[in-house]
Amino acid sequence: KQEVTQIPAALSVPEGENLVLNCSFTDSAIYNLQWFRQDPGKGLTSLLLIQSSQREQTSGRLNASLDKSSGRSTLYIAASQPGDSATYLCAVRGSNYQLIWGAGTKLIIKP
Amino acid sequence: IAGITQAPTSQILAAGRRMTLRCTQDMRHNAMYWYRQDLGLGLRLIHYSNTAGTTGKGEVPDGYSVSRANTDDFPLTLASAVPSQTSVYFCASSWDRDQPQHFGDGTRLSIL
Repeated sequence: KQEVTQIPAALSVPEGENLVLNCSFTDSAIYNLQWFRQDPGKGLTSLLLIQSSQREQTSGRLNASLDKSSGRSTLYIAASQPGDSATYLCAVRGSNYQLIWGAGTKLIIKP
Repeated sequence: IAGITQAPTSQILAAGRRMTLRCTQDMRHNAMYWYRQDLGLGLRLIHYSNTAGTTGKGEVPDGYSVSRANTDDFPLTLASAVPSQTSVYFCASSWDRDQPQHFGDGTRLSIL
């Protein structure tokens, strides 16, 4: 059974720092991996989707990488801003087309 | 503004009552999903629909039912609510199973 883990559960960094969020999964047979952000009291917003054949995807200050063989993905945020404060979740899609989710990393960017 | 609308935004419900959570999307997405989110856990899929007229069971379907009579609407029904169904419920949609999912703002449901 696929399991997705995100460590740490919470992270606090000063504004302007570059940071990396981690996501690991137990079964490397995935079709894609997605990163989302969730603001308090709100739904989720899709940030990046990496297909299983890809190594990375970039959008603005965000870069997500995927290493299927090691069961790991990272989300790199450059030049962090207070507006980046949110909970970041990763999810993997397996052969049954369902997304399996990590519990998220709560990120706080201190001004 | 295009997107997903969920109603109600929050509800307190007595155990044993029947409740339907509404979800409507105006993006003409084929696939729709219902998730529950509990503190400390990731989202868990309750039911999904790949296209109008079809539905499927997710990871935690017991106690819930769905229908997909048309493209836009995907209601979730709790036939007889129990306290363990206290959660935040999110509806989502996507063009197909391989495309990013778009989420509503959620329904906060408390069963007493």
